[in-house]
Amino acid sequence: DAKTTQPNSMESNEEEPVHLPCNHSTISGTDYIHWYRQLPSQGPEYVIHGLTSNVNNRMASLAIAEDRKSSTLILHRATLRDAAVYYCILNNFGNEKLTFGTGTRLTIIP
Amino acid sequence: GAVVSQHPSRVICKSGTSVKIECRSLDFQATTMFWYRQFPKQSLMLMATSNEGSKATYEQGVEKDKFLINHASLTLSTLTVTSAHPEDSSFYICSARRIPGGTDTQYFGPGTRLTVL
Repeated sequence: DAKTTQPNSMESNEEEPVHLPCNHSTISGTDYIHWYRQLPSQGPEYVIHGLTSNVNNRMASLAIAEDRKSSTLILHRATLRDAAVYYCILNNFGNEKLTFGTGTRLTIIP
Repeated sequence: GAVVSQHPSRVICKSGTSVKIECRSLDFQATTMFWYRQFPKQSLMLMATSNEGSKATYEQGVEKDKFLINHASLTLSTLTVTSAHPEDSSFYICSARRIPGGTDTQYFGPGTRLTVL
């Protein structure tokens, strides 16, 4: 699977939007962009995924660049419970495996 | 949503003993389950892919005789750490997917923290 690059850590104030970037310059045409997050001492949790178009769900929004070489996970209004490590993962259609990178550790400031 | 459970949530054992960890999909059938290991301050590392009714596929560097995986039903996979040693102490996490292939999401269990004394 193609590699992703994320900042090691980010901070955001509570109740403000958070934009978590991910670079994936070597993405292939059949790679889906997945985001998972892992709260402390828990297993990862699915957040959102997309291919080309921007996606919205109850947890977050995913904005995908037109050339698909980068994407941004948007938390519209961060709460303390959103403090977690966020992983951006590329997954090729038909490949069941997920390869986790180091992710971005998001800290929410009250 | 899909729920995956793990048992036990934490276990402490003596060096040389074997430990079995169960992973269950509670409200869906999982044709494929995955086992990950996570050391402190590190990311998840895939250990093996488990398909119901067939042998598990292990990642490079993972000893299949030490980490025994059984996927006997569509809702249960077990990981047995045989002859555990302190270096096997880690956070073990399983995941399951409902649909083979495609881009279905993986649903993760809460993890099992293993401490080997």
